[in-house]
Amino acid sequence: AQTVTQSQPEMSVQEAETVTLSCTYDTSESDYYLFWYKQPPSRQMILVIRQEAYKQQNATENRFSVNFQKAAKSFSLKISDSQLGDAAMYFCAAHNNNDMRFGAGTRLTVKP
Amino acid sequence: ETGVTQTPRHLVMGMTNKKSLKCEQHLGHNAMYWYKQSAKKPLELMFVYNFKEQTENNSVPSRFSPECPNSSHLFLHLHTLQPEDSALYLCASSPTSGYSYEQYFGPGTRLTVT
Repeated sequence: AQTVTQSQPEMSVQEAETVTLSCTYDTSESDYYLFWYKQPPSRQMILVIRQEAYKQQNATENRFSVNFQKAAKSFSLKISDSQLGDAAMYFCAAHNNNDMRFGAGTRLTVKP
Repeated sequence: ETGVTQTPRHLVMGMTNKKSLKCEQHLGHNAMYWYKQSAKKPLELMFVYNFKEQTENNSVPSRFSPECPNSSHLFLHLHTLQPEDSALYLCASSPTSGYSYEQYFGPGTRLTVT
């Protein structure tokens, strides 16, 4: 079974600055997908960004980008130009076949 | 709104009660999921349905009973729960259960067992 580890229970960032959230995973599969989800205080989880394991190029979505290191099984999320609306719980997830595993989450606080 | 709705949003029940959680998706997806979210723990996948067939049951106690009458609706029937079952229960859907698809989540049902 695969595992996903987020080693930072809480992080904070000043508005307009950059923050990186860490995620490592462990899987024996060669094909899998990685995701970052955001859960704002309203509780509805939404997808932030996804990465196919077979692609070497790091995914980017506007201010959000990932640093995918397949050999190290690392999948960190970088948020640039942080905004107050970025404050939320962030969950890293790994998905292969029918097995979707989430990390314990990182609570991000954005300071004005 | 992500197209996945859950009712009720909050539920308080005693250990001897029977209640049901409902999830409905309006996205035309064929896979639906139940997750349990407890404080400071990773989301726990409970059940997966793909084209109305249950494809995953992650060792969930029998006091949780899922039902998927069609691809748009998913229920979680609850009976004789324990206080440790108090949590946020999230429903999600995806086009199929294939691993390339992101999941779309509902707002959750906050369950408290007294």
